[in-house]
Amino acid sequence: NAGVTQTPKFQVLKTGQSMTLQCAQDMNHEYMSWYRQDPGMGLRLIHYSVGAGITDQGEVPNGYNVSRSTTEDFPLRLLSAAPSQTSVYFCASSYVTGNEQFFGPGTRLTVL
Amino acid sequence: KNQVEQSPQSLIILEGKNCTLQCNYTVSPFSNLRWYKQDTGRGPVSLTIMTFSENTKSNGRYTATLDADTKQSSLHITASQLSDSASYICVVTRGAGANNLFFGTGTRLTVIP
Repeated sequence: NAGVTQTPKFQVLKTGQSMTLQCAQDMNHEYMSWYRQDPGMGLRLIHYSVGAGITDQGEVPNGYNVSRSTTEDFPLRLLSAAPSQTSVYFCASSYVTGNEQFFGPGTRLTVL
Repeated sequence: KNQVEQSPQSLIILEGKNCTLQCNYTVSPFSNLRWYKQDTGRGPVSLTIMTFSENTKSNGRYTATLDADTKQSSLHITASQLSDSASYICVVTRGAGANNLFFGTGTRLTVIP
């Protein structure tokens, strides 16, 4: 099992550019989520999904889109990057909501 | 308001010493509480889970306690090692529902030789 994988590991964008952060899991987990982690603020939920075809907003969804066409994949799209989106992004999955979450290695994003 | 507060924010200890990290929460209704360890540059990894009926649970040199009455949990690390240097995050699950996790901001532990 590869667990939860994320690509890329690092990314630098210019303001206004768009990009997609990839996330995949091979554990057949129904629940997947995206977090951002900023110094002193802990992990904040951006979007989550309770199964293929179902997504919902978390605490800080503005500027981000998600889709869940398969159980395995849960990409996060930045529509028009802003410096405020500079952060470390983590994807996580669990069998169902409330169970232990398995986190990916993270993507460090810098927006200039 | 559902909140999770951790203390201290950071801690430096000598290798071989013990330490205790604190987590206070106001999340209700309570479902469970997890401690995660996050090494620098990596994602968090679960250390232990505490449910309402559990007071103490150990995982090697890590021992978690839970007092559901006072809504407090602690993580005790025994005989610290350099590899214990990491951030420790307390996460409380509220009842049922999909968006029901509440994260503390973590305690940054540094173990020095």
